[in-house]
Amino acid sequence: DIVMTQSPDSLAVSLGERATINCKSSQSLFYRSNSKNYLGWYQLKPGQPPKLLVYWASTRQSGVPDRISGSGSVTDFTLTISSLQAEDVALYYCQQYFDIPWTFGQGTKVEIK
Amino acid sequence: QVQLQESGPGLVKPSETLSLTCTVSGGSMTNYFWSWFRQPPGKGLEWIGYNDHIGSANYNPSLKSRVVISVDTSKNQFSLKMNSVIAADTAVYYCARSFGSGITGLYDSWGRGTLVAVSS
Repeated sequence: DIVMTQSPDSLAVSLGERATINCKSSQSLFYRSNSKNYLGWYQLKPGQPPKLLVYWASTRQSGVPDRISGSGSVTDFTLTISSLQAEDVALYYCQQYFDIPWTFGQGTKVEIK
Repeated sequence: QVQLQESGPGLVKPSETLSLTCTVSGGSMTNYFWSWFRQPPGKGLEWIGYNDHIGSANYNPSLKSRVVISVDTSKNQFSLKMNSVIAADTAVYYCARSFGSGITGLYDSWGRGTLVAVSS
């Protein structure tokens, strides 16, 4: 199985400040034939369905605010919230869809400082 | 906009079978993959498996021997059956629809989840 490791486990950021979450995979998620990284990011809030934020490592899902962005390639990826808002308080997970079984990072809890 | 809703017992006894149904509204069940995921208390997300309307199922090897996912397009539902459950199967179970027909591992539509506890 591909192991996904996120860091940090939690972070507290002041409103309006930048939040950065890292995700590292145990093997490459880059598929040469289409030059895509098979990595997505999800946001989870209690009582709500998980929300897909980013796919192909850097493509923002429709409706996701542009303060949220994804970057990285091969084995190292980052989710950035450029200016943290109160509604961004949540758990964030990276997920690889390069190979079965699809696997997730352990999650990063984002809070307001 | 498609909506998904999980339903089923909230409590299952050890060694029995967990059965959940996901009802899909506002969209077709063809040309997508339909998955189940779960999140044990205090732990991360785990993919259980997927199926589509023509029976192209695939399961997490760690659960494959105990799980069956089936799709019933006539009822706009798909289901999860997991046998021989143990306490470690206690989790919030989510159903989800794939992002598109060509990507089996990415999911953009999810249910809110249902908590299933395994206890005698």
